[in-house]
Amino acid sequence: VQLVESGGGLVKPGGSLRLSCAVSGFTFSDYYMSWIRQAPGKGLEWVSYISGGGDVMYNADSVKGRFTISRDNAKNSLYLQMNGLRAEDTAVYYCARGYPFLILWGQGTLVSVSS
Amino acid sequence: DIQMTQSPSSVSASVGDRVTITCRASQDISSWLAWYQQKPGKAPRLLIYAASTLQSGIPSRFSGSGSGADFTLTISSLQPEDSATYYCQQANTFPSTFGPGTKVHIK
Repeated sequence: VQLVESGGGLVKPGGSLRLSCAVSGFTFSDYYMSWIRQAPGKGLEWVSYISGGGDVMYNADSVKGRFTISRDNAKNSLYLQMNGLRAEDTAVYYCARGYPFLILWGQGTLVSVSS
Repeated sequence: DIQMTQSPSSVSASVGDRVTITCRASQDISSWLAWYQQKPGKAPRLLIYAASTLQSGIPSRFSGSGSGADFTLTISSLQPEDSATYYCQQANTFPSTFGPGTKVHIK
């Protein structure tokens, strides 16, 4: 069982990034999936989740209107499209299996927002 | 949003000691609580869910208890590999929220 995030990097304020999470070892479409982030030296913040079929999704208020979660069950992949990035979005972003209990986690990908 | 608090913020204990971490929710969350362990530079790992159910593969020295608004994580006999930060998470009300964490150090 493996979750592998990618797509992080350095971006200027107002810019965009698309994170990906490649999943293997379980039936991806059976599970809710979540994105959680952790600012440097800080605690955990749940960002977004999506149902197994992709028809139910919710975002935290801090990213509402800017971030969009999606999934491609044929490709066993989860995505997070991040627009209008702000300095306070700087964090390690983790994908995880499940909501609300986060059963399995990826290793994370770092997003840095700075001019 | 439901606010989660943890105490203590850090604890230092010896190998073999019993360690207890407390988590309090700002309102009743029934048994919708999880505990996670995070080591530096690593992703969190689920230890306990539904307040007291041990996740598969987690050593039995970890246990959880409580319901309503007050919860406890206990490490019955601290081991060197338990040095980490521990987070509680409420799963009762959207959005799910985490406590600020408790750092456990080995003396």
